[in-house]
Amino acid sequence: DGGITQSPKYLFRKEGQNVTLSCEQNLNHDAMYWYRQDPGQGLRLIYYSQIVNDFQKGDIAEGYSVSREKKESFPLTVTSAQKNPTAFYLCASSFQGRAGELFFGEGSRLTVL
Amino acid sequence: AQRVTQPEKLLSVFKGAPVELKCNYSYSGSPELFWYVQYSRQRLQLLLRHISRESIKGFTADLNKGETSFHLKKPFAQEEDSAMYYCALSSGGYNKLIFGAGTRLAVHP
Repeated sequence: DGGITQSPKYLFRKEGQNVTLSCEQNLNHDAMYWYRQDPGQGLRLIYYSQIVNDFQKGDIAEGYSVSREKKESFPLTVTSAQKNPTAFYLCASSFQGRAGELFFGEGSRLTVL
Repeated sequence: AQRVTQPEKLLSVFKGAPVELKCNYSYSGSPELFWYVQYSRQRLQLLLRHISRESIKGFTADLNKGETSFHLKKPFAQEEDSAMYYCALSSGGYNKLIFGAGTRLAVHP
């Protein structure tokens, strides 16, 4: 069953802790993306990657880090430096050069206690 | 700077009424525009793209470069159209997608 899978769906974190969100796809897509979704602000791009071992900062990269060691995987780490981490995080993928045609995961909701 | 503006947070209509979801953009190059939709408890998904000039689920959108707009229209709204709609712009060599804040469409019986 092809698709893009995010885990966990819900995550709670204490202040000062880092947390890693998983994103895996088996669509053979080259590019992967992380967005943050907040009410009234739409989706804002955190990081994106066009190929393995390469990634670029999006509009709100501060306090986040990523890696792209495999084509299928693009984990996002929310670090303690992120001042307002409570949000809904969406991962997406696409073929290279087709950033307009994204396939999204179901999302991960992070709550900082 | 590239930007997508959706001026309405909520659009409320009755079934059978026409719908127009507004989208304006700012971009110095040649834009590619898209509409995405998120139904309740479903994933965000692509609805349509301007280059294909298609009609999906009765929705159409025309790119107006003079007015820098890409409004989404449907002549007769259905209750199942109730969802969150996002307008999006592909920029940066088509390597990333920039979204607007979204408009929630509520279609009442």
